[in-house]
Amino acid sequence: GAGVSQSPSNKVTEKGKDVELRCDPISGHTALYWYRQSLGQGLEFLIYFQGNSAPDKSGLPSDRFSAERTGGSVSTLTIQRTQQEDSAVYLCASSLIAGAQYFGPGTRLTVT
Amino acid sequence: AQSVTQPDIHITVSEGASLELRCNYSYGATPYLFWYVQSPGQGLQLLLKYFSGDTLVQGIKGFEAEFKRSQSSFNLRKPSVHWSDAAEYFCAVGTNSGNTPLVFGKGTRLSVIA
Repeated sequence: GAGVSQSPSNKVTEKGKDVELRCDPISGHTALYWYRQSLGQGLEFLIYFQGNSAPDKSGLPSDRFSAERTGGSVSTLTIQRTQQEDSAVYLCASSLIAGAQYFGPGTRLTVT
Repeated sequence: AQSVTQPDIHITVSEGASLELRCNYSYGATPYLFWYVQSPGQGLQLLLKYFSGDTLVQGIKGFEAEFKRSQSSFNLRKPSVHWSDAAEYFCAVGTNSGNTPLVFGKGTRLSVIA
């Protein structure tokens, strides 16, 4: 079956612009996670959605970051007023309840 | 809070040799433990997981890992490495309370030489 998909695969943006990153989870997976992978920080948790519960936003680094999940499926991560330190690979994962997380290929964001 | 330590940043092994990648975790209860592999420019692929039961778990690509509670370890092993195994390997820990974000180690980069 289809895995987790993310788009775009690469995004180059100018400092100060807003960007939206998309994640399509595996069908039927109730949980969806966003992580960020950068050279200096490794893999960091950003935000987590589980069913209809309020998302766990405890990993978001600043209020410039937000995410939503529509209809319990697709999720969009939005970064406003991008900064150079936002440059990283953004990874999305999904899982069943108490199951292993399966990752998408990631979106490489470069802020110039 | 949980944490994961992968003591080896980079390991080089010869093709056909055995491999062991170390992982130590910190968590007060029984953890969920995972190993993922990442090839350059790719996402993370799940190799294997431990939730409960048999402490020796088998994964894909001939990998296995052993959960040792007394040592807080979950080391990854492969008896004979192939050149295609060259990649970055990440150990991760989750809690046993259901879906929770994973905490990852910093990763171990594996190089395979002929």
